[in-house]
Amino acid sequence: EPEVTQTPSHQVTQMGQEVILRCVPISNHLYFYWYRQILGQKVEFLVSFYNNEISEKSEIFDDQFSVERPDGSNFTLKIRSTKLEDSAMYFCASSEGLGRIAGELFFGEGSRLTVL
Amino acid sequence: GENVEQHPSTLSVQEGDSAVIKCTYSDSASNYFPWYKQELGKRPQLIIDIRSNVGEKKDQRIAVTLNKTAKHFSLHITETQPEDSAVYFCATQESGGGADGLTFGKGTHLIIQP
Repeated sequence: EPEVTQTPSHQVTQMGQEVILRCVPISNHLYFYWYRQILGQKVEFLVSFYNNEISEKSEIFDDQFSVERPDGSNFTLKIRSTKLEDSAMYFCASSEGLGRIAGELFFGEGSRLTVL
Repeated sequence: GENVEQHPSTLSVQEGDSAVIKCTYSDSASNYFPWYKQELGKRPQLIIDIRSNVGEKKDQRIAVTLNKTAKHFSLHITETQPEDSAVYFCATQESGGGADGLTFGKGTHLIIQP
């Protein structure tokens, strides 16, 4: 069964450093997302991406965050200057995107980011 | 923006009994309502979803009901089993567009007592 894959599974970084989290969505999916989950809390939407551009972003997704689809398979989340409060599990997700009808979101296993 | 409230935060039931988790939402434009199960340290996985043109949907031991007028929807698990122990999240999607992000509830930690 196709899966969303994410790397790295865990990254530890110093405050102020740049971090890039990578995702390979399911190949025939059209919509891509990043969500984050602070330990013990709910899953929070960051950004959605469609047709090579951001479709929607939340208040969390400020100027420190950016997303990119550098090639036909990868989808990346960059945090320019990490803060302690960026420590969380970051989930990539993709959906088939049946036009205006929502499709099932498939989540990756997550990338745990620890900022020291 | 959308606000999703989920109750209870923790639910403990005896194995074999039923469990019900409820969510309310604020945005009348929401028309897609999925439920996700998340086991400890794992990714959220969709267990059932419902769209606004349907009032109830069932899949074996799991069912979801939707009341659009009252803006609430519920997850029902019957004949609970130990493997049902997990955190369950409800979510909504505004307008049903594929590009719209899901708004999640805070989760319910379901504990199945043997």
